[in-house]
Amino acid sequence: KNQVEQSPQSLIILEGKNCTLQCNYTVSPFSNLRWYKQDTGRGPVSLTIMTFSENTKSNGRYTATLDADTKQSSLHITASQLSDSASYICVVSPRVMNTGFQKLVFGTGTRLLVSP
Amino acid sequence: NAGVTQTPKFQVLKTGQSMTLQCAQDMNHNSMYWYRQDPGMGLRLIYYSASEGTTDKGEVPNGYNVSRLNKREFSLRLESAAPSQTSVYFCASSERSGRRNTEAFFGQGTRLTVV
Repeated sequence: KNQVEQSPQSLIILEGKNCTLQCNYTVSPFSNLRWYKQDTGRGPVSLTIMTFSENTKSNGRYTATLDADTKQSSLHITASQLSDSASYICVVSPRVMNTGFQKLVFGTGTRLLVSP
Repeated sequence: NAGVTQTPKFQVLKTGQSMTLQCAQDMNHNSMYWYRQDPGMGLRLIYYSASEGTTDKGEVPNGYNVSRLNKREFSLRLESAAPSQTSVYFCASSERSGRRNTEAFFGQGTRLTVV
């Protein structure tokens, strides 16, 4: 069964500190992996998308890594800000089906709180 | 650009009532989706429309119907609401279903409570 597991479930860090969120997946065959940020009461917003051939991708203070062999990804946040408080969701896409539809398998997210 | 717009943002229904959730996108995307988000679970796909004129069931379609009214609009209908349908509903759109790395854009969500 295609699954995406994230850890930790929740995390509290001090403003200015770094943190790393983890994602393990069993989706196979694999097409791409995405990280989304979801603020409270809002829809998810994309941070990065990586294919199996990409090891790392950055978006400002956010850096995602991918190890397709071990089926693991991480999202590293540098110099955290209060506005980084949100849920971070790992999403994996299996390879495209014959119908052309690309399914998204969502993790349950890591809830990050950045404290002043 | 507004992106993906959902209405209403909040709704309370009584069991057995019906309602339609509206979604519109202004990005000229071909594909549109309806998801639900429940505590402790990842987003789950209810229905999707790969292109105008087509709709297909996702993981959890029971109790729902959809209409792809035109390229911009994709509505979700609850014919007879049940407490199990209490959830946050998200509409999303993407350029074309089937392309690798197709970015999905989400609306702000509709928080639905069925009592």
